[in-house]
Amino acid sequence: QSALTQPASISGSPGQSITISCTGTSSDVGFYDFVSWYQQHPGKAPKLLIYDVRNRPSGVSNRFSGSKSGNTASLTISGLQAEDEADYYCISYTSSSTSYVFGTGTKVTVL
Amino acid sequence: QVQLVQSGAEVKKPGASVKVSCKASGYTFSGYYLHWVRQAPGQGLEWMGWINPHSGGTKYAQKFQGRVTLTRDTSISTGYMELNSLRSDDTAIYYCARVETTPSWYGDHWGQGTLVTVSS
Repeated sequence: QSALTQPASISGSPGQSITISCTGTSSDVGFYDFVSWYQQHPGKAPKLLIYDVRNRPSGVSNRFSGSKSGNTASLTISGLQAEDEADYYCISYTSSSTSYVFGTGTKVTVL
Repeated sequence: QVQLVQSGAEVKKPGASVKVSCKASGYTFSGYYLHWVRQAPGQGLEWMGWINPHSGGTKYAQKFQGRVTLTRDTSISTGYMELNSLRSDDTAIYYCARVETTPSWYGDHWGQGTLVTVSS
């Protein structure tokens, strides 16, 4: 099972919006609405931002939003802040071996 | 509050085995799946498998089939990940994560991670 494809890096200025894509196949992202997103700061465990494509856990800022179109899921960060500088990962359920697969990860830099 | 506390760092030789523990507190251990994820130095996250603490049922990523075993001891609310035939590319931080159900992934609590170093 190959990893889902994410851009290696994205940068933006404070206050801007950025969108991170997560591209899979019709066996994972395209078929199931079971895509989650994580934020990971250096040396820390990942933090859940979005689950089931677009749902936010309580306590997560509404600046983070998720969506999906076809085989690609997306995470949008609005009003970019310095603290958003981190690595971001998507994860999807996949019918291939009925398991899970992570994205390759995206490093977000706040200019 | 919900906590997952993992065992300490390990250094192993190639070919050896390692067993990492993940002690849960603050919630009903058998009510949530326990997943294991690893992250090699400077690399991305990699899903390894899950165990249902209630039934003991397991599911492993194909890559680790035959080399990883997930177990649990419900009497002490602890899950275990054992990886055999270690290689240098198994050097990574290993995380346990509580996930509410399957196949939806609501993994809201993770352990602090356990660094496993494989070196001769």
